[in-house]
Amino acid sequence: QKEVEQNSGPLSVPEGAIASLNCTYSDRVSQSFFWYRQYSGKSPELIMSIYSNGDKEDGRFTAQLNKASQYVSLLIRDSQPSDSATYLCAVPGGSYIPTFGRGTSLIVHP
Amino acid sequence: DAGITQSPRYKITETGRQVTLMCHQTWSHSYMFWYRQDLGHGLRLIYYSAAADITDKGEVPDGYVVSRSKTENFPLTLESATRSQTSVYFCASRSRGQNSPLHFGNGTRLTVT
Repeated sequence: QKEVEQNSGPLSVPEGAIASLNCTYSDRVSQSFFWYRQYSGKSPELIMSIYSNGDKEDGRFTAQLNKASQYVSLLIRDSQPSDSATYLCAVPGGSYIPTFGRGTSLIVHP
Repeated sequence: DAGITQSPRYKITETGRQVTLMCHQTWSHSYMFWYRQDLGHGLRLIYYSAAADITDKGEVPDGYVVSRSKTENFPLTLESATRSQTSVYFCASRSRGQNSPLHFGNGTRLTVT
């Protein structure tokens, strides 16, 4: 059973702070990793993808991947109340069929 | 407009009834997926399809049937609905590339009474 683990939270951060979201996975052959954001009552939307060890930056978002330790993280700089959502980590694994973590709820308070 | 659409958005049905959830995508993506999302369980894969006429079970397939006669459509049928199938159902698609992300439909909220 391939597993993707996330802390369910909620993670509460003040506006302007850095939010750090973490994800660990069990399938060592995984090559691609995705972060989705899901607002309450809405469908998940892709915000970041990462394939190589290290950091990948896109605006206020940075994804970090460490394949040796089997974790992937998402940093949100200058957090805004509009970032309040559930963040889902998805790991396709060897079959390229995505397994999702249960998601981390992020609350950014003014 | 190109995209992936699900219908209906909301559905209430009674225990024992058959209900079909529709999913249509205009990207010609090879892969299509059905997930259900429940509190405490996250997104769980029901069925997926790698191409027309090719389908396979996911993590929670019992009580569901799928078909894919055309690339663009991937309907999900609950043959005899049960209360435990009350959930939000998401259809998703992606292209064949191994690093391709999923694109989700808006979801169907199904209530079985």
